[in-house]
Amino acid sequence: GAVVSQHPSWVICKSGTSVKIECRSLDFQATTMFWYRQFPKQSLMLMATSNEGSKATYEQGVEKDKFLINHASLTLSTLTVTSAHPEDSSFYICSARRGSSYEQYFGPGTRLTVT
Amino acid sequence: AQSVTQPDIHITVSEGASLELRCNYSYGATPYLFWYVQSPGQGLQLLLKYFSGDTLVQGIKGFEAEFKRSQSSFNLRKPSVHWSDAAEYFCAVYGQNFVFGPGTRLSVLP
Repeated sequence: GAVVSQHPSWVICKSGTSVKIECRSLDFQATTMFWYRQFPKQSLMLMATSNEGSKATYEQGVEKDKFLINHASLTLSTLTVTSAHPEDSSFYICSARRGSSYEQYFGPGTRLTVT
Repeated sequence: AQSVTQPDIHITVSEGASLELRCNYSYGATPYLFWYVQSPGQGLQLLLKYFSGDTLVQGIKGFEAEFKRSQSSFNLRKPSVHWSDAAEYFCAVYGQNFVFGPGTRLSVLP
């Protein structure tokens, strides 16, 4: 149990376009979902925390107008990278927390390349 | 503020040898501690976690970790490494929020 999926697994888009990444908890309801960004050979950096039905909380330095997060239901959160630029190219990973547990279940990640 | 350090950026061991990956944390209280493994281009898989109780924690794939409060450490160990263990290993701490260490890349020699 506790499986998290991401779609797509990789995406290439042109500079200036927007791209949406989906994160789904497949077999549990996720009260909280997290979005991380990982640069090559680096650790995960938390971008934002989202709770179902409320606005996401962004970490310092993360542009909320550029990285739009929607936690539409207890099983789905989306990250939309708006007006993407090459510097947005990265590996984006989501995770989900079940109930009040402190444990996070991670998705397989989405590799975004902006050309 | 909480932080996590993993002093070793890259470790190389021979297959069958023992392994210890170091993790030190900084937090005012006892945090929740995790070890994750990440294969190239993949997401993170939880190896083990410590919330409370026995300070020696057993995980999957033959890994274990020991919480030492006096040293603020949570080192990961495996008695005999397999070639498939080659990956990136992240220590993580949950105190006020989730913080990952910088990671240790493990290479395994045949």
